[in-house]
Amino acid sequence: GAGVSQSPSNKVTEKGKDVELRCDPISGHTALYWYRQSLGQGLEFLIYFQGNSAPDKSGLPSDRFSAERTGGSVSTLTIQRTQQEDSAVYLCASSPTGTSMAYEQYFGPGTRLTVT
Amino acid sequence: AQSVAQPEDQVNVAEGNPLTVKCTYSVSGNPYLFWYVQYPNRGLQFLLKYITGDNLVKGSYGFEAEFNKSQTSFHLKKPSALVSDSALYFCAVRDIGYKLSFGAGTTVTVRA
Repeated sequence: GAGVSQSPSNKVTEKGKDVELRCDPISGHTALYWYRQSLGQGLEFLIYFQGNSAPDKSGLPSDRFSAERTGGSVSTLTIQRTQQEDSAVYLCASSPTGTSMAYEQYFGPGTRLTVT
Repeated sequence: AQSVAQPEDQVNVAEGNPLTVKCTYSVSGNPYLFWYVQYPNRGLQFLLKYITGDNLVKGSYGFEAEFNKSQTSFHLKKPSALVSDSALYFCAVRDIGYKLSFGAGTTVTVRA
């Protein structure tokens, strides 16, 4: 079946511009996660959505970062006024439910963001 | 917070030899441990997990992992490595709020 998809696969933007990254989770998965992978910081958690509950935003690095999930499915991660340190690969993952520790997360291919 | 550590940045083995990628964990309560693999320019692929039960867990592509509570370790193993196993491997633990906390990753190179 279809896995997690992300778009765009690559994004080059100028410093100070806003960007939107999209994630389509596996159909039926209620939990959705965003992570960031960078050379200096490794894999970092950003934000987590579970159904209609309030998202866990504890990993967002600054108020320039925000995310929403519409209709319990597609999610968009927005970075405002991008900075060079935002350059990284942004990974989205989904799992059947977020309220069990036992389920693995399924990752998309990622969006490589380069801020020039 | 829960955490995992991968003490080796790189592991190099010859094809056909056993492969071991090390991971140690620090958790309060029961650990929920995972291994993922990442090929170049790809997302993370799930290999296996330990939730409870048998200490030897079998996963995808011939990989297995041994959970050792006394040594707080969860090492990934493959009896006979292939060149195609060359990739970046991540150990992870389920953390507060259901997110995954990852180790720094270990680059595995299998030479022909």
